[in-house]
Amino acid sequence: ETGVTQTPRHLVMGMTNKKSLKCEQHLGHNAMYWYKQSAKKPLELMFVYSLEERVENNSVPSRFSPECPNSSHLFLHLHTLQPEDSALYLCASSHRPGPYEQYFGPGTRLTVT
Amino acid sequence: GESVGLHLPTLSVQEGDNSIINCAYSNSASDYFIWYKQESGKGPQFIIDIRSNMDKRQGQRVTVLLNKTVKHLSLQIAATQPGDSAVYFCAENPIQGGSEKLVFGKGTKLTVNP
Repeated sequence: ETGVTQTPRHLVMGMTNKKSLKCEQHLGHNAMYWYKQSAKKPLELMFVYSLEERVENNSVPSRFSPECPNSSHLFLHLHTLQPEDSALYLCASSHRPGPYEQYFGPGTRLTVT
Repeated sequence: GESVGLHLPTLSVQEGDNSIINCAYSNSASDYFIWYKQESGKGPQFIIDIRSNMDKRQGQRVTVLLNKTVKHLSLQIAATQPGDSAVYFCAENPIQGGSEKLVFGKGTKLTVNP
């Protein structure tokens, strides 16, 4: 595997479910990010982790819970989501301290029913 | 509010022509700018970046121009090919001092006609 990988690529979940998104980077970077991409809206930064420590939380609702166990892995735990949370969730990584280009994964297409 | 935006949401060009995609930003303190390409079903792909101490940077078939006076960024694609069809995003780093935060524009959809 190379670059930034994300699993699953597609996810459908009910509002009462709990699921997790996984991201893995194989680039030797020390910063990782979660973004939300909704139709006709700019990419929205959700969380930034640097050296496994959360350094930014962009006022994201608590139903989204990130976890970064090491510099190569990033998770986004989801629970009691709303239909408006349906979007493409993108993971990215970069060197730090920045700014430097961020490398994105293919995303997880999430649908909340 | 959003500090990065695009003048046109769509751009259609003929294969072989040059393309110019524009971006305006409002934060004069921004010191780093970047362009991404996103094809359908894929994540954004890095194209080129530029720091505020430069006004032009060239890559393979792409050139980024930065005009700090009018806070304008542009991406020029030479000899546009069908494979260049995608949505292009500009982004800026609005905070100096080592921050990794990028603020993205809404994107311009480029369509290349054969």
